[in-house]
Amino acid sequence: AQKITQTQPGMFVQEKEAVTLDCTYDTSDQSYGLFWYKQPSSGEMIFLIYQGSYDEQNATEGRYSLNFQKARKSANLVISASQLGDSAMYFCAMTEALTTGNQFYFGTGTSLTVIP
Amino acid sequence: NAGVTQTPKFRILKIGQSMTLQCTQDMNHNYMYWYRQDPGMGLKLIYYSVGAGITDKGEVPNGYNVSRSTTEDFPLRLELAAPSQTSVYFCASSHPGGGHPTDTQYFGPGTRLTVL
Repeated sequence: AQKITQTQPGMFVQEKEAVTLDCTYDTSDQSYGLFWYKQPSSGEMIFLIYQGSYDEQNATEGRYSLNFQKARKSANLVISASQLGDSAMYFCAMTEALTTGNQFYFGTGTSLTVIP
Repeated sequence: NAGVTQTPKFRILKIGQSMTLQCTQDMNHNYMYWYRQDPGMGLKLIYYSVGAGITDKGEVPNGYNVSRSTTEDFPLRLELAAPSQTSVYFCASSHPGGGHPTDTQYFGPGTRLTVL
């Protein structure tokens, strides 16, 4: 079974609008971490936001917020006030406390295009 | 801090050739990782290391070898290159004392490898 599922291969959003990128995960651990990374066309992986499984509040980092719904096992990324520079691939990832070496499991990504 | 550095940035190999991808981090991170990213896909873990002298296989280790003689360096060796190894390779590291779900992984810029 896939550990991380991203069902939106591509998304479009109007500049200045908000957009939600979906991510569901599969784990039987009680302690785990969820991450979002951005990969622009230049190729580097940029860390955006982190949510711990025991965190009661949704994580926020500037225009990024993580909508964490534990019972549904979803960790959607919300980008508010989209900018042209937000056009990129976005990857959801998870690590489990019981997994040796803090291994990350990545989804297949969502390509976001911001339209002027 | 330079963070995680990788060399070379690009390389073309002929089938059957060998090469070493270099990865160095200056953040004193114990944990280091090698991933490959195939076109349009997420990252898959090749090998990882939880400290000098300790390495372990990830999801896709066949055709690769690693070593970890120092905290800073984690080279990836390709023996007998095959076209299936054409990919972008990322090295990453995470916080000392890792193994906790809070440990963000920081990525190098990647090496784009083509095997012809």
